Formats: sequence, structure tokens, C-alpha cells
Amino acid sequence: AQRVTQPEKLLSVFKGAPVELKCNYSYSGSPELFWYVQYSRQRLQLLLRHISRESIKGFTADLNKGETSFHLKKPFAQEEDSAMYYCALVGNYKLSFGAGTTVTVRA
Amino acid sequence: DAMVIQNPRYQVTQFGKPVTLSCSQTLNHNVMYWYQQKSSQAPKLLFHYYDKDFNNEADTPDNFQSRRPNTSFCFLDIRSPGLGDAAMYLCATSRASGGSYNEQFFGPGTRLTVL
Repeated sequence: AQRVTQPEKLLSVFKGAPVELKCNYSYSGSPELFWYVQYSRQRLQLLLRHISRESIKGFTADLNKGETSFHLKKPFAQEEDSAMYYCALVGNYKLSFGAGTTVTVRA
Repeated sequence: DAMVIQNPRYQVTQFGKPVTLSCSQTLNHNVMYWYQQKSSQAPKLLFHYYDKDFNNEADTPDNFQSRRPNTSFCFLDIRSPGLGDAAMYLCATSRASGGSYNEQFFGPGTRLTVL
């Protein structure tokens, strides 16, 4: 069975402060992990995937197989980063989403 | 622009009255998904089509059915909507082949209200 856990439902940070969204997973095979983001009144969209090892909008995420984690980080949060963030794992063409973390960046 | 389109964006139905939600895509993706998303919850996969093959999730109620008449269109039928079926319904597509997985592209969703 595949499972994704996001322990924080809400996260509030000040503009310019670092932000880290936690994600842990359980999966018997080799995982493919993603972060999806949903800005207010917009559709759900891919932010980044662990395979590409990119930095998107200043966000990075490193897959740690030992800790079964895929935490999302950004060193300096911006107000436009306020959104709902979902960690997701793919198995057999299906995405399993975590419960989501709502991030609010305050001025 | 290539995209995933859902119609209508808002749908109101009566308790027990069948309703159909539509999804179309111009991405020519071979996999299409339907998700249910209730307020403040993660999207929950109902079923997906891999080409013409229908894959139902084990916990998807029988009340929910789907049709995919061609590559571009996929429909979600709710035979007898209950109050608990009020939610946002998301359609998504992806290109998958030979065990590889690509990102899912989501539509804007249809918000269903059941009176």
C-alpha cells in the first residue's frame, strides 16, 4: 500500500523567512514523489518532482529514502507562495496525495 | 493552448437526481482520471482510464460510474446523488507508457451541490 503523510495542516511564516513543508511516505517499491500546488482560485498544478532535481520558484525537495521523506523547502518565502501544497506519490499510474498543507506568508 | 476542460464549472442537482459531469482534453493524453475533493481534504481518486481500460478504486461507491467514448472525452455519472456527494470533482490527464509516469494535468474542477 502507498501512503503519504503531511503532518502540518497549516503553516504560517513571515515574508523572507525560510519555510519547510514536511512529507513522509510509505511505499514498498521505488517511489516517485511530487509536490503539487493549488493557488487560490486556480487549478491544481505540478510544482516539482524528485526525479528532475530542479528548483522551481525557489523551492527544492530532496528524496531521503532512509527517512522516507520528501520535504519541500524554500529559504526565503514570498507572499505569492501562499497556497495549498500537496505531497504526492505515484504507484501504478495513480497518485496518492497527502492531506495537504496550507501555507500563509505574512508581510 | 492545450488543456483540460471541465463543464460545467458549477452544477446543482437534487437529491437522487442523476447528474453527469464532463471532461475534455486537447493534450492527447492516454490516461484520464476522476477525483473527488471535499472541503479542506486531499483529492481522492475515484477511477481512471488507461486508454480504454477502466480502473475503479476499491472504495469508490457503485453510485459513481464513468464513460470514455474517445481519447478526448471522459464523463462522470452519479446515478443517485446523496448529500454526501457534494464536492469538487477534478478531472486530470497524463501520458503514460511502458511503466513510465508523467505529471498529471488537472482541470479547474466542477463544484457539485446537492439539494
